[in-house]
Amino acid sequence: QVELVQSGAEVKQPGASVKVSCKASEYTFSSYSLHWVRQAPGQGLEWMGIVNPSGGRTSYAQKFQGRVIITRDTSTNTVYMELSSLRYEDTAVYYCARGYDFWSGRMDVWGQGTTVTVSS
Amino acid sequence: QSALTQPASVSGSPGQSITISCSGTSSDIGGYNYVSWYQQHQGKAPKLIIYGVSNRPSGISDRFSGSKSGNTASLTISGLRAEDEADYYCSSYRSSNIHVFGTGTKVTGL
Repeated sequence: QVELVQSGAEVKQPGASVKVSCKASEYTFSSYSLHWVRQAPGQGLEWMGIVNPSGGRTSYAQKFQGRVIITRDTSTNTVYMELSSLRYEDTAVYYCARGYDFWSGRMDVWGQGTTVTVSS
Repeated sequence: QSALTQPASVSGSPGQSITISCSGTSSDIGGYNYVSWYQQHQGKAPKLIIYGVSNRPSGISDRFSGSKSGNTASLTISGLRAEDEADYYCSSYRSSNIHVFGTGTKVTGL
């Protein structure tokens, strides 16, 4: 079945970077976009950015501009989200989600989530 | 970039209908028919229940329905059941290739 499998939990110190992966299977990787969404403990969902695996086009939420980079590897059907200059408030569960296209926001398949903890 | 506005909580008796509002602007909800709704149970990943304002993905109960008027979208749950108790989030496309979520609404039974 269509699936997104994310990498495991991470613990990072403030100021460090984290790179989370999201491997897609059982669908045509280049035909759907890939969103990244995070959820801090006890908080709501927050959209971070999107990539079009076909050409690599990206768009990021203004809040994360300059700190986040989303890339893709079409040879392994994997998308990566790298967040730099980590702060305590970046502690959250990070999800990847398949998008029907770049605009509709129709996120129909979600990864299991990756917990990132920022702690000294 | 501010989130869309939802009520923090909505409650209802079993079998009752409830409606969750999602308020935005002409740059997001009012400007595009790209509103989606997600259901999230505690400790689980979100699940798409409505897309394109009023469309249900395959396998989603017809007890869930969506609509939009101006800058406000709404999700209605008819015949409320215990398994509907969860958090619900709206989302919308916003101009310049940006997406935004709502603040989230906790649905509880009476």
